[in-house]
Amino acid sequence: GEEVAQTPKHLVRGEGQKAKLYCAPIKGHSYVFWYQQVLKNEFKFLISFQNENVFDETGMPKERFSAKCLPNSPCSLEIQATKLEDSAVYFCASSQAPEESPLHFGNGTRLTVT
Amino acid sequence: TQLLEQSPQFLSIQEGENLTVYCNSSSVFSSLQWYRQEPGEGPVLLVTVVTGGEVKKLKRLTFQFGDARKDSSLHITAAQPGDTGLYLCAGSYNTDKLIFGTGTRLQVFP
Repeated sequence: GEEVAQTPKHLVRGEGQKAKLYCAPIKGHSYVFWYQQVLKNEFKFLISFQNENVFDETGMPKERFSAKCLPNSPCSLEIQATKLEDSAVYFCASSQAPEESPLHFGNGTRLTVT
Repeated sequence: TQLLEQSPQFLSIQEGENLTVYCNSSSVFSSLQWYRQEPGEGPVLLVTVVTGGEVKKLKRLTFQFGDARKDSSLHITAAQPGDTGLYLCAGSYNTDKLIFGTGTRLQVFP
């Protein structure tokens, strides 16, 4: 598609439950990025992929967060045992070649942990 | 930790006024981008600046990259209500990820 598609739009989980977010990048884009936006302003980088390979995972809280980008499937970000502080909007972005072309962002998934 | 500080954090102005948003860092970036984000949506790219001292114009928006490539500014002339949104600068170090600034929330009243 011509847009980055993120699902679901909203997700509510009780503390300790699992949350799984999905992202379909723009067709032909080989790079996928996940960002976490808290307090409506701050964007925190989580992880990036080049095709199905992890490119940079320096932002990932590895104890509970995991992500995958498998061939012919939407990319996913999974949070095991959610905590209140995981409440945020999670954005996915894709790009053809990050050094030369811009990131295209999806509209985000708002995760609320209660 | 690489930090991009934006100022001001919030800005409320009347239609027709001019404004400048600043984006500062102690680090040198290979390129810097400006995005605008509206409620319920992802950020949308406005411009990319690459060369130190570079100035780019997009209608009423003027973007400047500092000579040392550590800072940038966004100037809006004759702001309109449609300019309302969250403005984010984001720097890149020749690698994949962008480091986002702290954001400036602009409200333009008619």
